[in-house]
Amino acid sequence: DAKTTQPPSMDCAEGRAANLPCNHSTISGNEYVYWYRQIHSQGPQYIIHGLKNNETNEMASLIITEDRKSSTLILPHATLRDTAVYYCLRIIPNAGGTSYGKLTFGQGTILTVHP
Amino acid sequence: DARVTQTPRDKVTEMGQEVTMRCQPILGHNTVFWYRQTMMQGLELLAYFRNRAPLDDSGMPKDRFSAEMPDATLATLKIQPSEPRDSAVYFCASGLGSTSASSYNEQFFGPGTRLTVL
Repeated sequence: DAKTTQPPSMDCAEGRAANLPCNHSTISGNEYVYWYRQIHSQGPQYIIHGLKNNETNEMASLIITEDRKSSTLILPHATLRDTAVYYCLRIIPNAGGTSYGKLTFGQGTILTVHP
Repeated sequence: DARVTQTPRDKVTEMGQEVTMRCQPILGHNTVFWYRQTMMQGLELLAYFRNRAPLDDSGMPKDRFSAEMPDATLATLKIQPSEPRDSAVYFCASGLGSTSASSYNEQFFGPGTRLTVL
């Protein structure tokens, strides 16, 4: 149970912004939202994470709604190399409250960037 | 450029044989994860270690799989005996493993070992 919901697939034209949504309606107040991507045949790669505020780094921007029930990953100018599976993740604490960064992957969103 | 390394990158073996996969985490990382990826199940967490001690291996078939960290620079995943259903890509990842879900935790993944059991 990944506890996040993402559309199975999306398309985007090269050079356009790709906006990938994620629903995490059961997230608790102190849990971060993480985004990873997996390019074909490679290991997953960290993209960005956030708690409450919007975040931006050299790869992407993350917009988190005020109620924190959903977020959107934005690739501002998608390229063909951004074609990948994108995972929205929460780190679910163990029963004792610790987590050590354990990730539970769902099916993710297959983003296809077209020329 | 620090990265997680895994060996072998590809392994083809016959059913019943023992398979050992190795992982070298990034120096200084205290948490190591083993994942398995198949088309049907996606990415599944098999086991993870913190400071070389196993924390959770509930995702791993106990009768044939074993995971160990002989030292801080080596993690191993062993399958004995291997079966065709074990065919998958096995990923190792390492991180600093903050104890709190509210703290930053990035995992760095290796390139994976593609295992084919005939």
